[in-house]
Amino acid sequence: EAGVTQFPSHSVIEKGQTVTLRCDPISGHDNLYWYRRVMGKEIKFLLHFVKESKQDESGMPNNRFLAERTGGTYSTLKVQPAELEDSGVYFCASSRRDRGDNSPLHFGNGTRLTVT
Amino acid sequence: AQSVTQLGSHVSVSEGALVLLRCNYSSSVPPYLFWYVQYPNQGLQLLLKYTSAATLVKGINGFEAEFKKSETSFHLTKPSAHMSDAAEYFCAVSVGWNNNDMRFGAGTRLTVKP
Repeated sequence: EAGVTQFPSHSVIEKGQTVTLRCDPISGHDNLYWYRRVMGKEIKFLLHFVKESKQDESGMPNNRFLAERTGGTYSTLKVQPAELEDSGVYFCASSRRDRGDNSPLHFGNGTRLTVT
Repeated sequence: AQSVTQLGSHVSVSEGALVLLRCNYSSSVPPYLFWYVQYPNQGLQLLLKYTSAATLVKGINGFEAEFKKSETSFHLTKPSAHMSDAAEYFCAVSVGWNNNDMRFGAGTRLTVKP
C-alpha cells in the first residue's frame, strides 16, 4: 500500500506570505493527524481529523493556522500570514480507526518549512 | 496530561556496542508507550509499542524496550549496534485507544562509530 505522502518536502517563504501544506493519508485511514517539530524540540500535536471532522484542534498555535480535510481524504494545512516562529518540520500521520487495537500511526516524510 | 522525557539528545556508541536510549514517562492512568525511529529524510517508523501485555517488548531490527512501572521508564535497548541504526529515536506516550492524545519526547540522535 502507498504510504502517507506530504507535499512539498521543503518550502522557503518570507514572513507574511502564505503557505499551504498537503497530506495524503493511507487509503482507508479515517484518522489524520498533523504534528510539528521546531528545531530539535519535541514533536507537538497540532490537530486530529476523523474523516472530515476536526476531532481535536487543541494544539493549533493560533488563528493563522487553518486545517481542512474536505471529503475526508487528503488534508491541507495553511499558514497565513507566516511568521518566523512557524519554521519547523510539519508531519502528517494517519491510522485506522480500530477500537481497542491502538492502531499505529503511519507518518509521512514531513514538510520542512523555513520562514525568512 | 501525559508526557515523556528522553534523557540525552545525542548518544554515540561504537559498532557492536550496547545501545541504551532512555525514556521516562508521566501519566495518571496506565499508558501506551511507543518508540519511533526517523532515518534521514524519512518519516517516523514504529519500532515497538507497549500496550499493557508483556512488559518486555520486542521490536524490529533487534530493538527491545522494557516497561518498568516502579521507575516510570521505557528504555530502548539493542545488544549490538549496527551502522544502519544511526538515526533519531522518539519515545511517545498515549492514554487513549486511538492515539489522538499521543505525546512525543524531544528525540535522541544515535550516532554509531565504526
